[in-house]
Amino acid sequence: AQSVSQHNHHVILSEAASLELGCNYSYGGTVNLFWYVQYPGQHLQLLLKYFSGDPLVKGIKGFEAEFIKSKFSFNLRKPSVQWSDTAEYFCAVCSRDNYGQNFVFGPGTRLSVLP
Amino acid sequence: NAGVTQTPKFRVLKTGQSMTLLCAQDMNHEYMYWYRQDPGMGLRLIHYSVGEGTTAKGEVPDGYNVSRLKKQNFLLGLESAAPSQTSVYFCASSYTPGQALTNQPQHFGDGTRLSIL
Repeated sequence: AQSVSQHNHHVILSEAASLELGCNYSYGGTVNLFWYVQYPGQHLQLLLKYFSGDPLVKGIKGFEAEFIKSKFSFNLRKPSVQWSDTAEYFCAVCSRDNYGQNFVFGPGTRLSVLP
Repeated sequence: NAGVTQTPKFRVLKTGQSMTLLCAQDMNHEYMYWYRQDPGMGLRLIHYSVGEGTTAKGEVPDGYNVSRLKKQNFLLGLESAAPSQTSVYFCASSYTPGQALTNQPQHFGDGTRLSIL
């Protein structure tokens, strides 16, 4: 069974600091990779996704992620965070099994950005 | 376009009571999912459905039942609520027929906050 791990449970940064959130997955086959963001009190929203091609993916709000197949990683980055980036971030891996799509989410990383 | 709609948004139950959470999507998605979200645990899949009339168990199915009688609706039932089922429940849907299967993200509802006393 595939699994997804996220390196940090809670990250605290000051505004303008750079961000990198780690995500690793365990699955040997073809996967699609996603980062979702959940702002306080809201539902999950898609931040960016990787399907194929260029392993460096750019998403909304200045976020990007790099797929490194050899490391089974899909780390999320942002050069300069803002207070409004305070949220919980979930990495997700999608593969295909006999029943169709199989989404597995990581445990989440809470990001707190201090003004 | 409402996307994924969950009702109710909040509910407080007593131990042993039953209730049903409703999820409705208007995107013609084939797949629907129910997750629970608990602190430090991320999202855990309870049950899912790959089409009308079909359901399957996810990671944490015990204590829950589901039904998918209509393509647009996915119901999550708690027959006898327990305090351990206090959580935030999210419904999601994905996959529009005719498009590549795995190249489609999930779309989430706003969640249902359920407290079991």
